[in-house]
Amino acid sequence: LAKTTQPISMDSYEGQEVNITCSHNNIATNDYITWYQQFPSQGPRFIIQGYKTKVTNEVASLFIPADRKSSTLSLPRVSLSDTAVYYCLVGLLRGGYQKVTFGTGTKLQVIP
Amino acid sequence: ETGVTQTPRHLVMGMTNKKSLKCEQHLGHNAMYWYKQSAKKPLELMFVYSLEERVENNSVPSRFSPECPNSSHLFLHLHTLQPEDSALYLCASSPADGSSYNEQFFGPGTRLTVL
Repeated sequence: LAKTTQPISMDSYEGQEVNITCSHNNIATNDYITWYQQFPSQGPRFIIQGYKTKVTNEVASLFIPADRKSSTLSLPRVSLSDTAVYYCLVGLLRGGYQKVTFGTGTKLQVIP
Repeated sequence: ETGVTQTPRHLVMGMTNKKSLKCEQHLGHNAMYWYKQSAKKPLELMFVYSLEERVENNSVPSRFSPECPNSSHLFLHLHTLQPEDSALYLCASSPADGSSYNEQFFGPGTRLTVL
């Protein structure tokens, strides 16, 4: 399983765009990149997933460069409710299950 | 609501007790997972069941015993636990048809305290 590296914590003011970068140097050809969000005492929640270039949904955007050795989660105009831990995962789930590894994640603190 | 429920939400038990955690998913998924999350630590994968067969046991002590009677239910039986087993225990499920590559749906967790 590819190992991921993220900043431990980040602070941002309300209304700003937040970019969290994840390194995954040994990503495999068939691996997808997935980001989860976790609030205290709750299970993680899927945010976005991508393979290459850019993916956007109603919550976030995911930027993946051509070499795929890193990815950046972009949260537009964050609010206080976006304060959470954000996890980057790399792997593939097909036809069964995936033994994924959650790293320490990035604790985002949104400041009023 | 993620479609994955866990009971109980909170559990306090002594080291000599036997208890069980229950997970139920209403999503039609075929893979289910148990994770452990201790304070200030990453989630640790404990067990994985795919099509009701255990496919992963991540070096978990035998005092934790999983059971998957059908694709909708997953149990974690606990006995003679230690205080360091106190943690948030999370259940998750995922589809097995390749339609969603890395998305796991998590329950709210059971907060376990071992005295």
